Amino acid sequence: EAGVTQSPTHLIKTRGQQATLRCSPISGHTSVYWYQQALGLGLQFLLWYDEGEERNRGNFPPRFSGRQFPNYSSELNVNALELEDSALYLCASSSRDRIYNEQFFGPGTRLTVL
Amino acid sequence: GQQVMQIPQYQHVQEGEDFTTYCNSSTTLSNIQWYKQRPGGHPVFLIQLVKSGEVKKQKRLTFQFGEAKKNSSLHITATQTTDVGTYFCAGPPSGTYKYIFGTGTRLKVLA
Repeated sequence: EAGVTQSPTHLIKTRGQQATLRCSPISGHTSVYWYQQALGLGLQFLLWYDEGEERNRGNFPPRFSGRQFPNYSSELNVNALELEDSALYLCASSSRDRIYNEQFFGPGTRLTVL
Repeated sequence: GQQVMQIPQYQHVQEGEDFTTYCNSSTTLSNIQWYKQRPGGHPVFLIQLVKSGEVKKQKRLTFQFGEAKKNSSLHITATQTTDVGTYFCAGPPSGTYKYIFGTGTRLKVLA
C-alpha cells in the first residue's frame, strides 16, 4: 500500500510570491490534514479537509488556504509569502471509518522563502 | 487558546536508562495519540488512548491517559539508541476533530 505522498520535496520562493503544495492521501482515506513545522519546533495545525470540504482551520491568516479534490488529494496554497513561512509543511491522511484514527504523515515539503 | 504542553523539552539519557515525557492539555481531550519523529523524518503514529485512566504497553513503552483526560505520559524502559527522536502527543479537544500537537520532547540517547 502506497503511503502519503507530497510534492514538491523542496520549494524555494521569494517574499511576496505564492506557493502551492500538493498531497495525495493513502488510498481509501478521505481526511487530509495540513501542518506547519518550523525548524526545531512542533507541529502547528493548519487545515483539515474531509470529503471535499474544509472542516476546520488553525490560527493562521487567510493567505493560507487550500482545497480537496474529488479524488481526496489536496492542495495547500500560501499567498503573499513572508520570510517566517519558511518551514516543513506536512500532510497527513486518515480514514473516517472509525471516529478516531491515526494520522499517516507524508515526507513533507520544505518551503524556503528568501 | 487551547494548548498542549510537553515536558521536558529536551532529555539526554545514557543508553539503558529510563525516560518519561509528560503531556498536559489546557482542555479535556477526546483521545490522545503519540507520535515519534526521527531526525529528518516525519511523525509516525505509535498509539492511541481513548478511555480515562487507560494504560497501554508496547514492549518497552508504556502509555498512560489521565483520569481527567487532560494529561498523558510516555515511559520508555531501558532506552536504546533507536529510541532517539522527538515524541509528540496529540489530541482533539472534546467535541472537535482538530488535533492539537504537543510541543514535543526531543530524546537523545548516549551510547
